[in-house]
Amino acid sequence: DIQMTQSPASLSASLGETVTIECRASEDIYNGLAWYQQKPGKSPQLLIYNANSLHTGVPSRFSGSGSGTQYSLKINSLQSEDVASYFCQQYYDYPPYTFGAGTKLELK
Amino acid sequence: QVQLKESGPGLVQPSQTLSLTCTVSGFSLMDYSVHWVRQPPGKGLEWMGRMKYDGDTYYNSALKSRLSISRDTSKSQVFLKMNSLQTEDTAIYYCTRGGELDWYFDFWGPGTMVTVSS
Repeated sequence: DIQMTQSPASLSASLGETVTIECRASEDIYNGLAWYQQKPGKSPQLLIYNANSLHTGVPSRFSGSGSGTQYSLKINSLQSEDVASYFCQQYYDYPPYTFGAGTKLELK
Repeated sequence: QVQLKESGPGLVQPSQTLSLTCTVSGFSLMDYSVHWVRQPPGKGLEWMGRMKYDGDTYYNSALKSRLSISRDTSKSQVFLKMNSLQTEDTAIYYCTRGGELDWYFDFWGPGTMVTVSS
C-alpha cells in the first residue's frame, strides 16, 4: 500500500497569511492526489484533484502543486473560514485509497 | 442536487454486526460508485470499500474478511455490513461518491457515529 505522510500535523497562522501544507507519498503517484478540507463536526469536502485542479466552487486562494512523491496545498490570504483539518489522498494505486494523517489549521 | 445520507444504529455491542445504509439522491448508482470511509474520533480517514457503478465491489484488505457492501438500485441505497465489531471500530462512518474515473470523492454524506460498547 502507498503510505502518505503529511506535515505539519498542526499549524497556527494569522489572518491574511499564506499557508502551505505538505504531503509525501512512499512512491511516485504521478499526480494522483486529492486534497480535502474538514471543518469541525463536518464531513470532508473535496478541494483539489489531480494534484492541481480546483474542484467546482472552491475559492481561488486554494491551490495545489507538486509531482512525483512530493505535493503541497497552499492557502493564500488565510480567512477565518479556512480553520479546518486538511487531508491528502492518493488514487494512483488502489485499492486501497490511502489518506495522510491530516493537518489541523488554527488561527493565531 | 447530489446528496448522500448514512443511517444506522448509533451503538453496537462488541462481537456484533454493524449494518449501515447510504441513501443517495441526485445521481444514479448505475452511473457512479459509492465508497465507505470511516474516521475514529479525533483521527484520520480510512477507506473501507466501494460499490462500483457496475455492481462490482472492492474492499480494503485490512477489513475484507469482516466487510460486505451491497446495493439496491431501485431504492438508491448502498449497504455496509461489518461483523465481529470491536471497540477500535468506533468511528464516524461516511458514504461518499466516487468522482471522475472513481479516483477521488466529490460528495460526502454527513456521516453517522457508531460506538462499539457493551
